[in-house]
Amino acid sequence: ETGVTQSPTHLIKTRGQQVTLRCSSQSGHNTVSWYQQALGQGPQFIFQYYREEENGRGNFPPRFSGLQFPNYSSELNVNALELDDSALYLCASSSVDSGNTIYFGEGSWLTVV
Amino acid sequence: GESVGLHLPTLSVQEGDNSIINCAYSNSASDYFIWYKQESGKGPQFIIDIRSNMDKRQGQRVTVLLNKTVKHLSLQIAATQPGDSAVYFCAEKIYNQGGKLIFGQGTELSVKP
Repeated sequence: ETGVTQSPTHLIKTRGQQVTLRCSSQSGHNTVSWYQQALGQGPQFIFQYYREEENGRGNFPPRFSGLQFPNYSSELNVNALELDDSALYLCASSSVDSGNTIYFGEGSWLTVV
Repeated sequence: GESVGLHLPTLSVQEGDNSIINCAYSNSASDYFIWYKQESGKGPQFIIDIRSNMDKRQGQRVTVLLNKTVKHLSLQIAATQPGDSAVYFCAEKIYNQGGKLIFGQGTELSVKP
């Protein structure tokens, strides 16, 4: 177990709706990043949060947004859902103290219909 | 564009044999490389990592080799077991781009009993 927990594990949304996914990082890890993994593909970097600030972003539109809280947990919000947003959303945590090793949670499966 | 590619999408080996999974990366600025194992329906599981100032690193039954001259990374699994069956991803991290990992598409390892 990596100590990174995500919720919900599965959910179904309708096109145009909004979704919030949650992540609790491994204890002591102050850096959280989010990835999108489409079926049969490798994970794609969405963004990273460090000390409650976004400090890196991949090629995702602004309707993908996030938050990090003082306890280092994080949320990923996606607005105006599109069918192509259907994917496994992965949260990963790391810290300098752990040698920057990046550990992933089990992910949240999102299906947009 | 961004790419960490794998030479073979599938690899089938006999139980007890050694497995070698290859990976080519494209960015010379990458300074950290990680191998992940992903079983069906689960998040990526950290296997082993290597920094660009090394060319070999060994773990339990696994060895990672890095050849920076040809931008090639490999994962060797000794005495492959049925439990090793999964998709294996290599990922690279580019210096000064924070926690962003660039993943390839993965190699599916199938172990025959």
